[in-house]
Amino acid sequence: ILNVEQSPQSLHVQEGDSTNFTCSFPSSNFYALHWYRWETAKSPEALFVMTLNGDEKKKGRISATLNTKEGYSYLYIKGSQPEDSATYLCAFTWTGANNLFFGTGTRLTVIP
Amino acid sequence: DAGVIQSPRHEVTEMGQEVTLRCKPISGHDYLFWYRQTMMRGLELLIYFNNNVPIDDSGMPEDRFSAKMPNASFSTLKIQPSEPRDSAVYFCASSSLGTIDEQFFGPGTRLTVL
Repeated sequence: ILNVEQSPQSLHVQEGDSTNFTCSFPSSNFYALHWYRWETAKSPEALFVMTLNGDEKKKGRISATLNTKEGYSYLYIKGSQPEDSATYLCAFTWTGANNLFFGTGTRLTVIP
Repeated sequence: DAGVIQSPRHEVTEMGQEVTLRCKPISGHDYLFWYRQTMMRGLELLIYFNNNVPIDDSGMPEDRFSAKMPNASFSTLKIQPSEPRDSAVYFCASSSLGTIDEQFFGPGTRLTVL
């Protein structure tokens, strides 16, 4: 069983604040790291898929970095808005596997 | 494309009854995944298919659960007999290239077993 850990479990930020959270995963046999955004009562939607050490990806105000050697990824949200409120999931897979192991997510609440 | 389609969206049944959940993946996607979401365990993989063939069913809780994919556009997850502890949201997802590619999730089926 792989351990994919996300921290913090939850956080509240004020509208306009920037924030970030962490996904930790096993560094051996790394293959891909996914980030998903999951709004309440909806289904997860993919934000990024990263495969290379040092990868940085950006979508609007949201960006992510990847360090495969030390086994972590950061997700950053710049200037948080209430519509960013959601659970952010990361998922990891290793070489030769075709399934993802999901973390338990970071629940973000942006207070207007 | 309409995305991944799941039915029903909600199912309420009594303990001991058979439950069948259905999924239509995005056309052209070769991988199909069934997940279960619970408060205790989060999102956990039950089984996945590649080109209609079950590849890994190690996440299926027990023999009461079974899944099939008779063709590229349809899959079912069956629970027989159902138990209250099976109550959860069941998601189906599909992708074109396995784990190197993002997964597209359906809206989920919320199952309640009384």
